[in-house]
Amino acid sequence: DARVTQTPRHKVTEMGQEVTMRCQPILGHNTVFWYRQTMMQGLELLAYFRNRAPLDDSGMPKDRFSAEMPDATLATLKIQPSEPRDSAVYFCASGLVQDPTDTQYFGPGTRLTVL
Amino acid sequence: GQSLEQPSEVTAVEGAIVQINCTYQTSGFYGLSWYQQHDGGAPTFLSYNALDGLEETGRFSSFLSRSDSYGYLLLQELQMKDSASYFCAVRDAGRRALTFGSGTRLQVQP
Repeated sequence: DARVTQTPRHKVTEMGQEVTMRCQPILGHNTVFWYRQTMMQGLELLAYFRNRAPLDDSGMPKDRFSAEMPDATLATLKIQPSEPRDSAVYFCASGLVQDPTDTQYFGPGTRLTVL
Repeated sequence: GQSLEQPSEVTAVEGAIVQINCTYQTSGFYGLSWYQQHDGGAPTFLSYNALDGLEETGRFSSFLSRSDSYGYLLLQELQMKDSASYFCAVRDAGRRALTFGSGTRLQVQP
């Protein structure tokens, strides 16, 4: 059954290290979103792609975060260098731009801990 | 920009009915969505309202009043498995990205 996959599911790293999170959207979906969830801030949109083109990354700290879609089956979110305040669950979601309900299908998330 | 307000916590007993309210402010409104998230899980889509009125899907219903910038999620015949966080979300004007509320944690007690 079609679902969004994310790797790794858990990541523990030390401050200053590079972190790369990967997402495989549902086949055929043409929108991809990256969210960060913390207790304090809730669900925050980091980046949004439509047909692999970045449309909005205003929620992303530009100095250390970068998001790309090298092809339609892979989206990446990179943090370099990582900081303890980046500890959160990072969700990828995908959808169809032509869906009138804007339903987003979320992956299981990557739980990141930066020590 | 967009902002949404919803209660932080609601408690109800099994078999009861609970209503989770959401008020929003947005520069361009397209629709109000609801998502459910169990602890440790991912948000999953529940419902979407673009027009005023009630949408029913099984035990769950969602209501929208665009003139009042208000909606609610109604859960009937509550079950223990309904214990989760519920998020309302609005679509940003001009694009498909959603802005989520801070979530309402529902605890269903036996």
